[in-house]
Amino acid sequence: SAVISQKPSRDICQRGTSLTIQCQVDSQVTMMFWYRQQPGQSLTLIATANQGSEATYESGFVIDKFPISRPNLTFSTLTVSNMSPEDSSIYLCSGASGTRGFFGPGTRLTVL
Amino acid sequence: AQRVTQPEKLLSVFKGAPVELKCNYSYSGSPELFWYVQYSRQRLQLLLRHISRESIKGFTADLNKGETSFHLKKPFAQEEDSAMYYCALSWDNTDKLIFGTGTRLQVFP
Repeated sequence: SAVISQKPSRDICQRGTSLTIQCQVDSQVTMMFWYRQQPGQSLTLIATANQGSEATYESGFVIDKFPISRPNLTFSTLTVSNMSPEDSSIYLCSGASGTRGFFGPGTRLTVL
Repeated sequence: AQRVTQPEKLLSVFKGAPVELKCNYSYSGSPELFWYVQYSRQRLQLLLRHISRESIKGFTADLNKGETSFHLKKPFAQEEDSAMYYCALSWDNTDKLIFGTGTRLQVFP
């Protein structure tokens, strides 16, 4: 299966700032997704990253807070905007292409 | 709405003992069910999915539509099975996943 890398692996940010997380897949995938894992909780789907068009967001997540880009079939970015301590989480990129759900290593974000 | 329930946060067994990690789901259509595993300091990875009807690392899981369950079983636990296990559901060929809250399996020597 494909391998996903994410950058940065972790970051500590000040409230009110924004962070962009990059996701790179080593082969073309049909679907890409972004998930969030808050401390002590399970994974929650944020959005589907659509190639060449606007992302599709799940209930409770909005584009202004989590803008997503996907310029091609192997790359996507997630921006966490105007951060607050409640945004402290692990953010995971996922890809799917015929076979199911392989995940990146995650980006651990701490907001002070 | 879709939901996945894993009632146990922690399951502790001794090496060689049988293991059953419970998973129940709610979805009115025909879901796809998966088990994902996360070993310490490793990324989340797919363990098995119900449509494959396979056994991976000695683990099996059978989809019971009557009981809406997809329990993960292994007859003889090994220490290297210690990890976090997540049950997940996908629907309508979307590739999107709804995860349960996870069960941490500890296998003692």
